[in-house]
Amino acid sequence: KQEVTQIPAALSVPEGENLVLNCSFTDSAIYNLQWFRQDPGKGLTSLLLIQSSQREQTSGRLNASLDKSSGRSTLYIAASQPGDSATYLCAGAPDTDKLIFGTGTRLQVFP
Amino acid sequence: DAGITQSPRYKITETGRQVTLMCHQTWSHSYMFWYRQDLGHGLRLIYYSAAADITDKGEVPDGYVVSRSKTENFPLTLESATRSQTSVYFCASGREVNTEAFFGQGTRLTVV
Repeated sequence: KQEVTQIPAALSVPEGENLVLNCSFTDSAIYNLQWFRQDPGKGLTSLLLIQSSQREQTSGRLNASLDKSSGRSTLYIAASQPGDSATYLCAGAPDTDKLIFGTGTRLQVFP
Repeated sequence: DAGITQSPRYKITETGRQVTLMCHQTWSHSYMFWYRQDLGHGLRLIYYSAAADITDKGEVPDGYVVSRSKTENFPLTLESATRSQTSVYFCASGREVNTEAFFGQGTRLTVV
């Protein structure tokens, strides 16, 4: 059974730091990988999608990469801001199956 | 406005009652999903649907019923609510089973 681990579970950093959030899958055969952001009491907002033919995606200060050989993905947040405070979830799909979610990294960026 | 909407946003019900959570999407996505989110478990798939009149079980389907008579609607029914079904429920949609997924704002359900 595919399982997804996100490390760290929680992170508190001062504003301006560059951050790395990690996501790993027990089965490295990942077809698509998606990173989401969830604010308290809200739904999930899609941040980045890495499709089967891709290795990374970038959007503004966010960069996500996927190493299919190891089944690991990294979300890099540059120059963090207090507005980045949220829970970040990764979700991957093994082959043509459904997305499986990690339990998230809770990020707090303080001024 | 295009998007995915869930109703109600909050619901309190009693044990043993039937309750239906609604989900409506305007993108004409083929796939729709129901998840529950609980501390320590993350998001777990309850049911999903590939098209109208096609539904399938996810990881935790027991105690839930779904239907999809129209592409845009995917209601989730708890036939006889139990306290263990207290959770936050999210509906999502996507063009394919594992492409970019779009989520609703969630329904916080409390069973007392």
